[in-house]
Amino acid sequence: AQSVAQPEDQVNVAEGNPLTVKCTYSVSGNPYLFWYVQYPNRGLQFLLKYITGDNLVKGSYGFEAEFNKSQTSFHLKKPSALVSDSALYFCAVRDGDSGGYQKVTFGIGTKLQVIP
Amino acid sequence: DTEVTQTPKHLVMGMTNKKSLKCEQHMGHRAMYWYKQKAKKPPELMFVYSYEKLSINESVPSRFSPECPNSSLLNLHLHALQPEDSALYLCASSQGGTSGGKTQYFGPGTRLLVL
Repeated sequence: AQSVAQPEDQVNVAEGNPLTVKCTYSVSGNPYLFWYVQYPNRGLQFLLKYITGDNLVKGSYGFEAEFNKSQTSFHLKKPSALVSDSALYFCAVRDGDSGGYQKVTFGIGTKLQVIP
Repeated sequence: DTEVTQTPKHLVMGMTNKKSLKCEQHMGHRAMYWYKQKAKKPPELMFVYSYEKLSINESVPSRFSPECPNSSLLNLHLHALQPEDSALYLCASSQGGTSGGKTQYFGPGTRLLVL
């Protein structure tokens, strides 16, 4: 079984400050982890993913995420937030040992509000 | 190019109507997905096609009927829907195969309202 938790419904951060959006996961095997962003009335845009290798993953628009196996976490970070980063962020996981097709489980989403 | 296109953008239909949603990708992906998303909720997987064959049906009611005519196209046929089926319907595609963590690329969605 695979699951993912995003403990914060909303994160508020001042423009220019660093931001963190939290994600923890649970899988039986090796995790494949993803971050997506969704702007209002739009589809999901892929930001970054962790498959294997370096625990620090860099993605689009200056975002990065750190994979921490011991804490089963994959928090999304950005050094300096922009107002345009305000959106809904989804963490997703796939259990690499689950077999079958590419079924991912999404977290409930975290709304990021960047305050000017 | 990581574009997935969906038509129409918006759709209003009555409970007795028949309509279809269309999705297209030209990335050479061999897996395509339909998701349903309610407001401020995560996407819920409905169907997965892998190499043009239905691989996953997440116990979706029969009033939703998927079709994959070729490797680039994915349709969702709608008939006798209920108001609670109103949602954003998202299409996604990824590389085929069961191994690894394939990135799913999403289309902009079709906003469906059932009256």
